[in-house]
Amino acid sequence: AQSVTQPDARVTVSEGASLQLRCKYSYSATPYLFWYVQYPRQGLQLLLKYYSGDPVVQGVNSFEAEFSKSNSSFHLQKASVHWSDSAVYFCALGNYNVLYFGSGTKLTVEP
Amino acid sequence: EAAVTQSPRNKVTVTGGNVTLSCRQTNSHNYMYWYRQDTGHGLRLIHYSYGAGNLQIGDVPDGYKATRTTQEDFFLLLELASPSQTSLYFCASSGAGLNTGQLYFGEGSKLTVL
Repeated sequence: AQSVTQPDARVTVSEGASLQLRCKYSYSATPYLFWYVQYPRQGLQLLLKYYSGDPVVQGVNSFEAEFSKSNSSFHLQKASVHWSDSAVYFCALGNYNVLYFGSGTKLTVEP
Repeated sequence: EAAVTQSPRNKVTVTGGNVTLSCRQTNSHNYMYWYRQDTGHGLRLIHYSYGAGNLQIGDVPDGYKATRTTQEDFFLLLELASPSQTSLYFCASSGAGLNTGQLYFGEGSKLTVL
């Protein structure tokens, strides 16, 4: 079985601060991992994806994520957040043709 | 740009009512999915399909039927709606299966069952 856990339901940071959103996964093989973002009243949009190779992957809007097999983690990071980054972020794991999502982390960026 | 269109965007029905949610994609994608989104649960897969006439069962299929009539169209059917099915429903499509592709989501259909 596979699962994705996002331990932080809500995160609040100040504009310009760095950000880390945590994601832990459970999967027996090397996973296909994704981060999606959901802005208010919209569907989900892909931020970045990891299949193999370099454990640090770059995404859109200066987001990056680091895969760690030893820790079963795929944390999302950004060096300096902007108010427009306020949204809900979902970590997801791909198993064959199905994507399994975590419960999401709501990010609020304060001025 | 991949396009997935859902209708209706908002729907209110009563317990026991009959609801059909529609999804159309114009990307020639093989895979289409129906998810429901609930606070604290993230997105949970209801049904998916890899082509016209095909249907695969997801993680939370109880109370839902689905039908893929064409490459473009995927419908979610609630024949006896219950309040527990009040949720935000998302349709998505993917061109290459999730192991290589990415999902393109519609804007969601909010369903309220009174």
